Amino acid sequence: DTAVSQTPKYLVTQMGNDKSIKCEQNLGHDTMYWYKQDSKKFLKIMFSYNNKELIINETVPNRFSPKSPDKAHLNLHINSLELGDSAVYFCASSQDIHWRFFGPGTRLTVL
Amino acid sequence: AQSVTQPDIHITVSEGASLELRCNYSYGATPYLFWYVQSPGQGLQLLLKYFSGDTLVQGIKGFEAEFKRSQSSFNLRKPSVHWSDAAEYFCAVGATDYKLSFGAGTTVTVRA
Repeated sequence: DTAVSQTPKYLVTQMGNDKSIKCEQNLGHDTMYWYKQDSKKFLKIMFSYNNKELIINETVPNRFSPKSPDKAHLNLHINSLELGDSAVYFCASSQDIHWRFFGPGTRLTVL
Repeated sequence: AQSVTQPDIHITVSEGASLELRCNYSYGATPYLFWYVQSPGQGLQLLLKYFSGDTLVQGIKGFEAEFKRSQSSFNLRKPSVHWSDAAEYFCAVGATDYKLSFGAGTTVTVRA
């Protein structure tokens, strides 16, 4: 009974490619997030959606585009991948503004 | 804006010994404070949280943390660590928005 799931778990791709990461939560939460964890393990919020509406959009290159088809799904599409995009991307969900339930992460490696 | 500092990048502790991880926060009002644990290759799991009330909070896996407003601290403790406690530990502070801010993390190594 996975609460927050992400696919794929690992993603290896070439520079310049376009890729997507999918996230689904079955907790009935209204809010979903994308976080980026860099090589130093620092976690930084990228985006947040509340009931399919974008509520947080941090300073992220516009090559990154989140999409929320419904409140249980939040996908992340990345265009023209760069070496610096290599990181672990975590999806999370919450019902209020503070709790976070995290997915297992997607390790993106750009070659 | 709120922020979190975890002064210790890496801590090594013997199995069975006590553990204390430091966390200092910066926020103008009463903060919402959290500790998360990340095992190797895994996502983050919530250990405990402080919103209000009793300043000593109990969490899962035998962890506890104490909120000290005067020191702007929320240190995590465990009386006796197990080898399975080897992980990355993150302190986080939340405010009245959706931006939960994380510290840089402390890596805990447990030696036999």
